[in-house]
Amino acid sequence: DTEVTQTPKHLVMGMTNKKSLKCEQHMGHRAMYWYKQKAKKPPELMFVYSYEKLSINESVPSRFSPECPNSSLLNLHLHALQPEDSALYLCASSQVLGREDQPQHFGDGTRLSIL
Amino acid sequence: GNSVTQMEGPVTLSEEAFLTINCTYTATGYPSLFWYVQYPGEGLQLLLKATKADDKGSNKGFEATYRKETTSFHLEKGSVQVSDSAVYFCALSDRSSNTGKLIFGQGTTLQVKP
Repeated sequence: DTEVTQTPKHLVMGMTNKKSLKCEQHMGHRAMYWYKQKAKKPPELMFVYSYEKLSINESVPSRFSPECPNSSLLNLHLHALQPEDSALYLCASSQVLGREDQPQHFGDGTRLSIL
Repeated sequence: GNSVTQMEGPVTLSEEAFLTINCTYTATGYPSLFWYVQYPGEGLQLLLKATKADDKGSNKGFEATYRKETTSFHLEKGSVQVSDSAVYFCALSDRSSNTGKLIFGQGTTLQVKP
């Protein structure tokens, strides 16, 4: 069982919809991450939060808006997405940023389809 | 820059065969190295890790040794099972940037047949 929980598991939305992906962890981790994964490819980093503050934005389009309301929760707000945004969105957490010897723990992801 | 290269798949083996998935890396300094496994329809699970030269990570019968002299971190298992069928990712932690960014290889698909 994964210790990082993501909801929903599947999401189908139109290009004009607004939806949110949610991620929760209770391991006391202070670094949280959003990744995008296309089929048969490795995950691509989108955002990194450290102590609830945005630390890294990997030049992600503004139609993706992350939010970290507290140390256990991470949201990804979606608006006006494009068909090429269809992918598996993975959340991960690690103890703290800068402890590169500590692994990232991943959730099972949200599979997003844009119609 | 930092990079990870994995052998291309798919790798197809019969049950109980010996497995090797090659992984080599390019990095400044001394990165930490990881193997992650992704089963169909799931996220990535940490399989094993090594944080310094000559460290051996092991888990569930899988092993990998951090070889600084050959910049390699090959994954091995003595006897694979059908349940090991998955995609395996080698990754390094970008220590120099202090970003927590993981650099992934392209992934190797393993298919184990009964």
